[in-house]
Amino acid sequence: LAKTTQPISMDSYEGQEVNITCSHNNIATNDYITWYQQFPSQGPRFIIQGYKTKVTNEVASLFIPADRKSSTLSLPRVSLSDTAVYYCLVGDEGSARQLTFGSGTQLTVLP
Amino acid sequence: EAQVTQNPRYLITVTGKKLTVTCSQNMNHEYMSWYRQDPGLGLRQIYYSMNVEVTDKGDVPEGYKVSRKEKRNFPLILESPSPNQTSLYFCASSSPRQGPNTYEQYFGPGTRLTVT
Repeated sequence: LAKTTQPISMDSYEGQEVNITCSHNNIATNDYITWYQQFPSQGPRFIIQGYKTKVTNEVASLFIPADRKSSTLSLPRVSLSDTAVYYCLVGDEGSARQLTFGSGTQLTVLP
Repeated sequence: EAQVTQNPRYLITVTGKKLTVTCSQNMNHEYMSWYRQDPGLGLRQIYYSMNVEVTDKGDVPEGYKVSRKEKRNFPLILESPSPNQTSLYFCASSSPRQGPNTYEQYFGPGTRLTVT
């Protein structure tokens, strides 16, 4: 199983761009990289997913280098409501393999 | 509305008293999972199911049972709960990847269980 390593916490200020990096040295060929956001006492919510290079949607960008051993979630111009825990998940959610979340990164956005 | 529901949302029980946490999804998803979340440990998968009558262990299956008799339901059973099973539990569902399309899990609202 591909294990992930993320920073435990990060602080930022409103309006700044935030980059959270996840390390996944044992990523398998079929694995995708998915990021989830979780607010206190709520279930995680999907943010973005990618396999290689760069993926962008309306809320975030995901950068994946060629060796795929890490990935970076980029949140443009964060606001106070972006304060949450962000999880990097590596696996093939379309297969029978079990999935493992890391410990997550607590992002705190300050005014 | 597409959703995953869990019941109960909160439960306080005593050691050894069997309990079941129900999970239901209305999206016709094949895959369902149970996770527990503890402070500092993130989300850990307990069991998952690829389809009806197909279940398998996740990272922390000890002390838990599951069943998948119907596609929409995936109950989590604690035959003899112990205090170390006090946790926040999440059920999730998803479908197999089809081509390069984005694929995601949908999580329920959580069940906070306290075992005294």
